[in-house]
Amino acid sequence: KAGVTQTPRYLIKTRGQQVTLSCSPISGHRSVSWYQQTPGQGLQFLFEYFSETQRNKGNFPGRFSGRQFSNSRSEMNVSTLELGDSALYLCASSSRPRGDYGYTFGSGTRLTVV
Amino acid sequence: QQQVKQSPQSLIVQKGGISIINCAYENTAFDYFPWYQQFPGKGPALLIAIRPDVSEKKEGRFTISFNKSAKQFSLHIMDSQPGDSATYFCAAHGAGNTPLVFGKGTRLSVIA
Repeated sequence: KAGVTQTPRYLIKTRGQQVTLSCSPISGHRSVSWYQQTPGQGLQFLFEYFSETQRNKGNFPGRFSGRQFSNSRSEMNVSTLELGDSALYLCASSSRPRGDYGYTFGSGTRLTVV
Repeated sequence: QQQVKQSPQSLIVQKGGISIINCAYENTAFDYFPWYQQFPGKGPALLIAIRPDVSEKKEGRFTISFNKSAKQFSLHIMDSQPGDSATYFCAAHGAGNTPLVFGKGTRLSVIA
């Protein structure tokens, strides 16, 4: 059974640019959550999608957005990149909206903004 | 405001020793408390989880102790091995439309 696939694994972008990250959940999983991981703040919740609907959004500026497609694949977009957006972006999938059935995380996309 | 406070930030344990990581929470609506283990270059992986209706859960060398009245829970790793060296995150989830929230992590190093 394939795990959660995140692409690309690494990205280097220039301040002011925009970026799109992709996440393919485990087959059959309809819930996808995104987290930003940094050394100082740990894992910060970005958003959660279930069956193409955003169920929850974290405390991030509007430059961060996401969506989920009918096949449960999800993308997140960050516009007008800032140096502070450099982080590991993690996607997690679950079979149910609540994570207590176990979130499975991908290996993440390492974004560096220069 | 951090919803789950984790300590210590880093921990060094001798091989064969017991590693203990502690977490505290304030939100009494939390009803699911997992621990995740993360190795460098990988995403976090679910290690063990507990619900507040039990005070302890054991899976192999890993045990969660839960104190509902104190709003605290901890991870104990018995007979710690160098392969256990990783970053450990506690987390909590509440009823309804709330996300899984994480502590800031503990970097564990098990030395021979």
